Amino acid sequence: QVHLQESGPGLVTPSETLSLTCTVSGGSIRGYHWTWIRQPAGKGLEWIGRIYTSGNTNYNPSLKGRVTMAVDTSKNQFYLKLNSVTAADAAIYFCARDPGGSSQYYFDHWGRGTLVTVSS
Amino acid sequence: SSELTQPPSVSVSPRQTARITCSGDVLPKQYAYWYQRKPGQAPVLVMSKDSERPPGIPERFSGSSSGTTVTLTIRGVQPEDEADYHCQSTDSSGSYVVFGGGTKLTVL
Repeated sequence: QVHLQESGPGLVTPSETLSLTCTVSGGSIRGYHWTWIRQPAGKGLEWIGRIYTSGNTNYNPSLKGRVTMAVDTSKNQFYLKLNSVTAADAAIYFCARDPGGSSQYYFDHWGRGTLVTVSS
Repeated sequence: SSELTQPPSVSVSPRQTARITCSGDVLPKQYAYWYQRKPGQAPVLVMSKDSERPPGIPERFSGSSSGTTVTLTIRGVQPEDEADYHCQSTDSSGSYVVFGGGTKLTVL
């Protein structure tokens, strides 16, 4: 059974960079898209973007310019960096596997999520 | 528009039928997916491609689509079905993901 685990600082200073890692176990990271999704308190889910194991990325247009994703297949990990954070970026951040194709997106395995607070 | 609209809440008594809707202009063109999220737990995919139930999901969960609305139906609701349910699709060009605002299902 594929298992995903998010990790990273729970507190980020405004204007700084949020950095998270997702570790995949129970299966290979190769051959799938890997996704970051977030949920601000009291709001719905928001797709941040995804990365294929080749390194190809798709980002949410509303966050483009602030988001960078990377993948390390040797470590079975993928990463999220979101720069210039504000209070609006405070959320629970989830990583997930996306088995969809080039224009089909869905998420069949998720991590439990990690809470990120933005505060000085 | 690629927005998806869900009712904020749905309440149902145990063993009754719950119907959670998701509406959006993109839905006649793109599949919808449904996720169940309980506090502190990883979300679970409970419905795929409008009406395909993933392995391991109880048969009481079903999905349907009609025009710009998709519906997740839970027949014979159990207390453990109390959760937030989120619909998800893709924009009309297949470039990015859109989610509904989520529906809190309360089992009375």
